[in-house]
Amino acid sequence: GQNIDQPTEMTATEGAIVQINCTYQTSGFNGLFWYQQHAGEAPTFLSYNVLDGLEEKGRFSSFLSRSKGYSYLLLKELQMKDSASYLCAVRDRGDSWGKFQFGAGTQVVVTP
Amino acid sequence: DSGVTQTPKHLITATGQRVTLRCSPRSGDLSVYWYQQSLDQGLQFLIQYYNGEERAKGNILERFSAQQFPDLHSELNLSSLELGDSALYFCASSPSGTISRRDYEQYFGPGTRLTVT
Repeated sequence: GQNIDQPTEMTATEGAIVQINCTYQTSGFNGLFWYQQHAGEAPTFLSYNVLDGLEEKGRFSSFLSRSKGYSYLLLKELQMKDSASYLCAVRDRGDSWGKFQFGAGTQVVVTP
Repeated sequence: DSGVTQTPKHLITATGQRVTLRCSPRSGDLSVYWYQQSLDQGLQFLIQYYNGEERAKGNILERFSAQQFPDLHSELNLSSLELGDSALYFCASSPSGTISRRDYEQYFGPGTRLTVT
């Protein structure tokens, strides 16, 4: 099975940096995803990591350590529009193409 | 606009009834995914189809079923509805879902809000 833990809420100031941690346990790992979801809207894909290391994409970066079952999403130069829920998800390596398990989400609040 | 369309946007029905949710993926995408999101359960993966065939199954109840048609649109059928089935149901699509990094980028539709009374 899979367990995914991420903080419930984080608050940061506009222009600052916030790091959202995600730890997971899985019987077979086949990739880790980060999604952004604004209230009342659909999730938006942010990143995908399958190998260890850092993936950078503009103001957002995602890191993965498979041996530690750990990932983080780094949001730089925070903007008010970054206030949203950030979901960490893991895909396992099952009999099929693998199912997804989502964390409960981290609500990021950006203040002026 | 992600390019993924879902109908209807809202659905209100009674317990015991059956409903069908429809999803049209982005042009060219072969994989379709279904998710359920409720306040107490968060986002739950239900099932994935690729080019008409089931490829991955999550926490989908036996009362629920899905299929993907030759034109690649997909339908999620929910039967014997219970109050607890009230949720937002999302469909997402991706190019294929296993081959390259880009294939894992899922694009979500706006969702169908189901209310069971």
